[in-house]
Amino acid sequence: EPEVTQTPSHQVTQMGQEVILRCVPISNHLYFYWYRQILGQKVEFLVSFYNNEISEKSEIFDDQFSVERPDGSNFTLKIRSTKLEDSAMYFCASSDLGRGQGSSYNEQFFGPGTRLTVL
Amino acid sequence: KQEVTQIPAALSVPEGENLVLNCSFTDSAIYNLQWFRQDPGKGLTSLLLIQSSQREQTSGRLNASLDKSSGRSTLYIAASQPGDSATYLCAARDYGGSQGNLIFGKGTKLSVKP
Repeated sequence: EPEVTQTPSHQVTQMGQEVILRCVPISNHLYFYWYRQILGQKVEFLVSFYNNEISEKSEIFDDQFSVERPDGSNFTLKIRSTKLEDSAMYFCASSDLGRGQGSSYNEQFFGPGTRLTVL
Repeated sequence: KQEVTQIPAALSVPEGENLVLNCSFTDSAIYNLQWFRQDPGKGLTSLLLIQSSQREQTSGRLNASLDKSSGRSTLYIAASQPGDSATYLCAARDYGGSQGNLIFGKGTKLSVKP
């Protein structure tokens, strides 16, 4: 069964360093998302991506964050200069339908996450 | 702004019991509602997706209902097993200003005792 994969599973970095989190969405999916979950808190939306551009971003997704689809399979989240408060589990998700396409959405499928620890 | 709440925060039941997890949302204008399972330190596994036009969905021992007018969804688990122990999250996908991102509740941590 196709699944979303993410690498690395755990990343430890020093404050101020750049990190790139990688995701391989399900192959026929067209919509891609990043979410994060700070320990003990809700899963929060960061950004959605379609047709090689950002569809929507939350207020968390400031200038320190960027996303890219560098090739036909990978989807990356870059944090330019990490802060202590960026420590969280980061989840990538994908779906094959988005808003406005018919009367319904399809499911979002999530990857296993990357645990980011900023020291 | 859509907010999703799940009650109770934690639930402990003996094996074999039927149980109901509750989810409420403040804005009834949703496209769909999705239930997930999260094991400790792991990702989210999609369990059920209910479209806005549907009232329930079933998968095996799981049944999810949706009542948009009252802003509620329930996840019913029949004949619970220790392997069902996990945190269950509900997430609403709404119209208001979003392109389709999910808004999550904090989850209900379920423990099924053998």
